[in-house]
Amino acid sequence: GAGVSQTPSNKVTEKGKYVELRCDPISGHTALYWYRQSLGQGPEFLIYFQGTGAADDSGLPNDRFFAVRPEGSVSTLKIQRTERGDSAVYLCASSPTGPNTGELFFGEGSRLTVL
Amino acid sequence: AQSVTQLDSQVPVFEEAPVELRCNYSSSVSVYLFWYVQYPNQGLQLLLKYLSGSTLVESINGFEAEFNKSQTSFHLRKPSVHISDTAEYFCAVSPRDDKIIFGKGTRLHILP
Repeated sequence: GAGVSQTPSNKVTEKGKYVELRCDPISGHTALYWYRQSLGQGPEFLIYFQGTGAADDSGLPNDRFFAVRPEGSVSTLKIQRTERGDSAVYLCASSPTGPNTGELFFGEGSRLTVL
Repeated sequence: AQSVTQLDSQVPVFEEAPVELRCNYSSSVSVYLFWYVQYPNQGLQLLLKYLSGSTLVESINGFEAEFNKSQTSFHLRKPSVHISDTAEYFCAVSPRDDKIIFGKGTRLHILP
């Protein structure tokens, strides 16, 4: 499709398990962002890639969270030893060049539930 | 650091009435300002943005927002709302060449 695609749309896991969330950005978009949205809150910045490299990972809450974008297109957010507090909707967005274009194109999110 | 405050978590308004959704921001540097909208069961999408130039910006569906530097505000307004405007609205700020920071959102309820 033409938009940002995220898989899975829903993931239920048990505390302590490992989880991977995938984001397929719009073709040609060089910038890719991960946000996390908890109930009743706005999107919380996690990490931003420009090409293959992480330009800003200041929003990752701790070292259990890691993200990669090895070929400058698809990105994977990895969460180790999941905790109940990790439950949220994880949003991916892409943009043509970077923050100064002013527009992010969001996917529909991956809802993570940690039991 | 930058921050965004949306004072109203929910705003009920009658159909065809005017509405204003408030947004204030804090930043020590020049910023870009945005309103994003999330319709029920859909992803976030850009509604309008201020990058530079005219301080009044408009969307294609009748919303407008005005950048007020002295009051550090970027309130969103519409003179007459419709049922289809039911959504959650997020104000966002970006220091130029940096990540976009979102507010907590305002849920707009349109009453028949």
